[in-house]
Amino acid sequence: QSVLTQPPSASGTPGQRVTISCSGSSSNIGSNTVNWYQQLPGTAPKLLIYSNNQRPSGVPDRFSGSKSGISASLAISGLQSEDEADYYCAAWHDSLNGWVFGGGTKLTVL
Amino acid sequence: QVQLVQSGAEVKKPGASVKVSCKTSGDTFTTNGISWVRQAPGQGLEWMGWISPYNGNTNYAQNLKGRVAMTTDTSTSTVYMEVRSLRSDDTAVYYCVRDFQGAFDIWGQGTMVTVSS
Repeated sequence: QSVLTQPPSASGTPGQRVTISCSGSSSNIGSNTVNWYQQLPGTAPKLLIYSNNQRPSGVPDRFSGSKSGISASLAISGLQSEDEADYYCAAWHDSLNGWVFGGGTKLTVL
Repeated sequence: QVQLVQSGAEVKKPGASVKVSCKTSGDTFTTNGISWVRQAPGQGLEWMGWISPYNGNTNYAQNLKGRVAMTTDTSTSTVYMEVRSLRSDDTAVYYCVRDFQGAFDIWGQGTMVTVSS
């Protein structure tokens, strides 16, 4: 059971906008920033969003992040087939003194 | 270009130990922390701990304390992660990652560790 809660799956058609939620508590998301990682099949994860809503260089602006209270969301607009991947949220957990991840959301592009 | 290059796959018996290496570039080694993250087959990501190559300070995940150890070799800019008393549920891909300003921005290629009798 992951400390952060994500839906196990999400889907959309090309061009659509999809959102993936990540729910935590006051000990993690509520008091720290959220990062998102994308893991394409058979590859290592890649940093997609950091500090709630910042994109590393090279990440398309189709990807955006937000945070409110103890929840965060990842939005992908203009969905493309190459966006089919697993997406993980992560945040620092104060009382555990370590990083915690969501269980991951498998995004399918129909 | 900063890269993290990990050692190859390992097969171990239950109760044994495994030590995985992660070679970093010079700048990364001295100025950034390195975390280890593992992923069991078909499962999600699990943070294992962190080490500062600068001073050797460590911070281990609570559920792994006592079984995991992270060390550095400054002469080769290499970070090591050892897991002792291996169990079948330690079977996973192990990643070293650069911990840069609160995010894991560079990932190693991963090392598959299989624990099987």
